[in-house]
Amino acid sequence: GAVVSQHPSWVICKSGTSVKIECRSLDFQATTMFWYRQFPKQSLMLMATSNEGSKATYEQGVEKDKFLINHASLTLSTLTVTSAHPEDSSFYICSAPDLSALQETQYFGPGTRLLVL
Amino acid sequence: GDSVTQMEGPVTLSEEAFLTINCTYTATGYPSLFWYVQYPGEGLQLLLKATKADDKGSNKGFEATYRKETTSFHLEKGSVQVSDSAVYFCALSEMGNTGNQFYFGTGTSLTVIP
Repeated sequence: GAVVSQHPSWVICKSGTSVKIECRSLDFQATTMFWYRQFPKQSLMLMATSNEGSKATYEQGVEKDKFLINHASLTLSTLTVTSAHPEDSSFYICSAPDLSALQETQYFGPGTRLLVL
Repeated sequence: GDSVTQMEGPVTLSEEAFLTINCTYTATGYPSLFWYVQYPGEGLQLLLKATKADDKGSNKGFEATYRKETTSFHLEKGSVQVSDSAVYFCALSEMGNTGNQFYFGTGTSLTVIP
């Protein structure tokens, strides 16, 4: 079945550096992808909707200059956490809908855990 | 490993019908359980959650009860509306070796017709 991958699965970085997380749809094309983050012991929060060929749509309260999203192709979206700080430490998940199936199905990546020291 | 199994769709109901979407889970510990909803063209939204056995989550007329004995978290609504048409995802969250991890079901598409 369809798969969404994320890379890296784990990343540890120093405060002030930037971190790029990739989300790929492996055997289907996705014009839209979604980015979520999860705080410890809390549920997922939608951060933004990534649109191929156009600007991402950010949810209220999410800093677009902090979390840069680029949907470079129909199979790749990237989330860059710029000038990361310890409060950015979180679990980031992407998802992508496969619209080619008779019934649209949403596939989730395995997530990327970011730890900022 | 942990997993979530939910009823396959699509589900089509008439307005004001009763809705049940089954969800069962497998977990090694004591997970929190969630139902998420995705409306057309939008991302996931948390619908309701329960964090321990026998807890009942409820929101917008939807309910689900955390049943540890049957490892289930079925979603119910007594009278659905056209606006409830969406895809519903059951999920669990448990602390793993690398921290809190989410596991999602494959989603159940609901269409409510007038």
